Amino acid sequence: DAGVIQSPRHEVTEMGQEVTLRCKPISGHDYLFWYRQTMMRGLELLIYFNNNVPIDDSGMPEDRFSAKMPNASFSTLKIQPSEPRDSAVYFCASSLAVARGTQYFGPGTRLLVL
Amino acid sequence: DAKTTQPNSMESNEEEPVHLPCNHSTISGTDYIHWYRQLPSQGPEYVIHGLTSNVNNRMASLAIAEDRKSSTLILHRATLRDAAVYYCILREYGGSQGNLIFGKGTKLSVKP
Repeated sequence: DAGVIQSPRHEVTEMGQEVTLRCKPISGHDYLFWYRQTMMRGLELLIYFNNNVPIDDSGMPEDRFSAKMPNASFSTLKIQPSEPRDSAVYFCASSLAVARGTQYFGPGTRLLVL
Repeated sequence: DAKTTQPNSMESNEEEPVHLPCNHSTISGTDYIHWYRQLPSQGPEYVIHGLTSNVNNRMASLAIAEDRKSSTLILHRATLRDAAVYYCILREYGGSQGNLIFGKGTKLSVKP
């Protein structure tokens, strides 16, 4: 299996622009998670899905952030409009329902908002 | 999720065993102990998990205290590739929450 796939790996954009991050979970996994990592706040959960349905989005910083999972093999995290404080590494992870503590992380998207 | 306490950093010599401690004095009976690690510029990677008994896998061993208030991740022979941040995380078995709560972890340095 290819593991969790994220794209792009790096993104540089200007403040105010829309940013879309993409994730393909491991085939057959029921759960998908979006995390954000910064030096100041460490690794924090933004939102997670079970069977394509958002379960907990309490970690989403504000309305500028939105996430979708239109099918079992694809999810997006969108930031509109982007701000410099959104600069971070964004990770996607997936897991099986029977083993939610064992999550498989993608390589991350490094986002820089100028 | 219950809180864990880990040293900020540790050093080890290559090819020597490493014992990474984790305190979790408020652990509940249904909490699993998970360990993840994050190599530089990579996403976190699952290492091992356990409930009460010691566990072994190809990556490491997990030793759990009898009262479950602490645990130790054991790397039997550290290599340079084991230099990473190691996270100890508690997660309730069958809990409704799906997320893992990552603390600051222990940064392990391995010297040649």
